[in-house]
Amino acid sequence: SAVISQKPSRDICQRGTSLTIQCQVDSQVTMMFWYRQQPGQSLTLIATANQGSEATYESGFVIDKFPISRPNLTFSTLTVSNMSPEDSSIYLCSVGQGTDNEQFFGPGTRLTVL
Amino acid sequence: QQQVKQSPQSLIVQKGGISIINCAYENTAFDYFPWYQQFPGKGPALLIAIRPDVSEKKEGRFTISFNKSAKQFSLHIMDSQPGDSATYFCAACNQAGTALIFGKGTTLSVSS
Repeated sequence: SAVISQKPSRDICQRGTSLTIQCQVDSQVTMMFWYRQQPGQSLTLIATANQGSEATYESGFVIDKFPISRPNLTFSTLTVSNMSPEDSSIYLCSVGQGTDNEQFFGPGTRLTVL
Repeated sequence: QQQVKQSPQSLIVQKGGISIINCAYENTAFDYFPWYQQFPGKGPALLIAIRPDVSEKKEGRFTISFNKSAKQFSLHIMDSQPGDSATYFCAACNQAGTALIFGKGTTLSVSS
């Protein structure tokens, strides 16, 4: 399976600031996804990030708040902009890989906004 | 129609027992159903997955049962161990490798 790393692993930020989360994969993948997991909750898809095209956002998530870059087939970033305490969550990237295109997740970035 | 409903929310099982977690879906276009295991502070790890053309898939102590007509699928953990204590999520999508719709999760505690 793909080896996925995320940076930072955790951060504590002040409200009104922005944080960029990096996702690095050890092999080329077509589709990458960004999910949010609020404390004690399930995973909710933020957006799908395809290389060479604009990210596709799910209902309730907008590009101004969560801009995404996908400069190549192994890397993506998610920025959480103008943060508020409600943005405190774990942010996870995932990729599809393998013969059945299984989806694998990174370790997550735990964000706390004060 | 995009929801995946998971139950129970929490489960306590004795060591050596069978843990059973159930999920139901509405969207008949879903054709890939994975289960994920998540430990505190970690990302979800793919445990086992099934497609609707089979009714059961087994990998070690983990088995998925799939009922296409009822639009339900379940995870069975045989001989449950304390190390299985984690949160389990079912998920679904309409093509493997596309975005997943997750259930709300089941917190499993296996008592020794």
